[in-house]
Amino acid sequence: EVQLLESGGGLVQPGGSLRLSCAASGFSFSSHAMSWVRQAPGKGLEWVSTISSSGGSTYYADSVKGRFTISRDNSKNTLLLQMNSLRAEDTAVYYCAKKAIGPAGTCFDPWGQGTLVTVSS
Amino acid sequence: EIVMTQSPATLSVSPGERATLSCRASQSVSSNLAWYQQKPGQAPRLLIYGASTRATGIPARFSGSGSGTEFTLTISSLQSEDFAVYYCQQYNNWPLAFGQGTKVEIK
Repeated sequence: EVQLLESGGGLVQPGGSLRLSCAASGFSFSSHAMSWVRQAPGKGLEWVSTISSSGGSTYYADSVKGRFTISRDNSKNTLLLQMNSLRAEDTAVYYCAKKAIGPAGTCFDPWGQGTLVTVSS
Repeated sequence: EIVMTQSPATLSVSPGERATLSCRASQSVSSNLAWYQQKPGQAPRLLIYGASTRATGIPARFSGSGSGTEFTLTISSLQSEDFAVYYCQQYNNWPLAFGQGTKVEIK
């Protein structure tokens, strides 16, 4: 069974940094692209970033470009998101998601349970 | 950047009735369109990809149609467990984009 377990969320002040992790199991992690998707409280879903299976290609939403960095450690089956210069509007549940098998493009299946990031003074 | 627009924002339906949800893209996304279901306190779940292909384990009462800019998710006979928020997502171009969601509530 595929499992994705996020960690690293918490309360951080504006301008601060946080690193999220996603531990993956139950599949060949190094063979699949991975993504982060976030959801602000009471709001809809927002794609944040995607990384290819090798880590050689990365993609970012304009809202986080230059502040967030996605990476992966295929030896440890772990996806990472380094978040710098955090703003109040980055407050959200952050989900880790695997690229779905089937479609050529990037949609998400399954998703982890999420980790809450709160940016506030 | 492609903008995804879902309608209606809220759909009130009685159990056993059909629900029809719409998703429109600001430019063509071909058939690179997915639908997700999210229940309160849970992560989203993939229902449909390729506009019309059900994901593994998704019941046949869920069906998707459309291509280009206009898409529809139909739930043929609503069950109690189907009351949730539904999102569409385009994956034809970067940046990836979700619609704002349609809440299906009990009438």
